[in-house]
Amino acid sequence: EPEVTQTPSHQVTQMGQEVILRCVPISNHLYFYWYRQILGQKVEFLVSFYNNEISEKSEIFDDQFSVERPDGSNFTLKIRSTKLEDSAMYFCASGITGELFFGEGSRLTVL
Amino acid sequence: EDQVTQSPEALRLQEGESSSLNCSYTVSGLRGLFWYRQDPGKGPEFLFTLYSAGEEKEKERLKATLTKKESFLHITAPKPEDSATYLCAVQASNDYKLSFGAGTTVTVRA
Repeated sequence: EPEVTQTPSHQVTQMGQEVILRCVPISNHLYFYWYRQILGQKVEFLVSFYNNEISEKSEIFDDQFSVERPDGSNFTLKIRSTKLEDSAMYFCASGITGELFFGEGSRLTVL
Repeated sequence: EDQVTQSPEALRLQEGESSSLNCSYTVSGLRGLFWYRQDPGKGPEFLFTLYSAGEEKEKERLKATLTKKESFLHITAPKPEDSATYLCAVQASNDYKLSFGAGTTVTVRA
């Protein structure tokens, strides 16, 4: 069964460092998303990506964040200068329309 | 802005004790309402999509229903392996992103 894969599963970084989280969405999917979940809180939308461009972004997705689809299979989230409050689980998701399928997440810990 | 409220926050059940979870929503035109299951430290796992009031979907011991303002997830004769957080999310008619509720954490004791 096709699945969304994410790497790394856990990353620890120092405040101010750049982080890149990687995702391989399901191959025939057209819409790609990043969500985050701070420990004990709800899953929050960050950004959606369609047809090689951002289709929507939330208020959380400020200038410190960027997304890329560098080739036909990968989808990345970059945080340029991490802050303590960026510590969370980051989930990649993909879909055609309707239901989204999520990866297992990348846990980011900022010290 | 889309709003999704789930209740209760937590539910402790004995094995075999049926119960229901509630998801009330406010959205500017509903494209779909989704239920996901989330295990600790894992990503949400898709369960159901409901598109219109009156629709019902079933999967094993789970049954989801939809009205114009809320959805219910019924768990019939639960087993310990049904222990998880159940998330409700809505998708508005003008985009494809999901807006999630905070979830209901279900614990089923043997």
